[in-house]
Amino acid sequence: DSGVTQTPKHLITATGQRVTLRCSPRSGDLSVYWYQQSLDQGLQFLIQYYNGEERAKGNILERFSAQQFPDLHSELNLSSLELGDSALYFCASSVGTVGGELFFGEGSRLTVL
Amino acid sequence: AQKVTQAQTEISVVEKEDVTLDCVYETRDTTYYLFWYKQPPSGELVFLIRRNSFDEQNEISGRYSWNFQKSTSSFNFTITASQVVDSAVYFCALSEGINTGTASKLTFGTGTRLQVTL
Repeated sequence: DSGVTQTPKHLITATGQRVTLRCSPRSGDLSVYWYQQSLDQGLQFLIQYYNGEERAKGNILERFSAQQFPDLHSELNLSSLELGDSALYFCASSVGTVGGELFFGEGSRLTVL
Repeated sequence: AQKVTQAQTEISVVEKEDVTLDCVYETRDTTYYLFWYKQPPSGELVFLIRRNSFDEQNEISGRYSWNFQKSTSSFNFTITASQVVDSAVYFCALSEGINTGTASKLTFGTGTRLQVTL
């Protein structure tokens, strides 16, 4: 158990819909990362927050957005969903120090039909 | 740009065989960190090891060992006497942004699927 909690574990929805994925980082970790894992793209970095502020952005679509709240939990919002958004979405957290390892949650598996 | 290459897509071995998973990286940073993660069939990503760019000492942890060679930009992972429970996808990763002083994201390789059979 990494200490990172993600909900929901599984989600099935239709094209055009909007979903929110939630992540609670490990106690004490200030940095939260979101990754997308799909068969064709592998593990792709989406976005990073540190203590409530956006710190780095990767290949995140404009239809996707995220935020980190004062209690440090984070949400990833995916809107106008397309079939290609079906993937495993991971949240990870770290203390925030340089070079620190990331601890990953179990992921949220999104299926868009 | 940072890049991690895991050329071996899939490896199959028989239990008790030794197996080495290759990882080659590219970076312009002088300070960086390398990682290995394991993704078992259950899907979670499990941290295995972290190595910084100034420490080229090989590391051994039980049946696992890692060989970091800066001269060839490689960070290979060897499992000795493999077991069925080692079956998983293994990812090599590189951290960037160290020089900016911020906690940085990881760039992952495409992973190597290891299948260990009896």
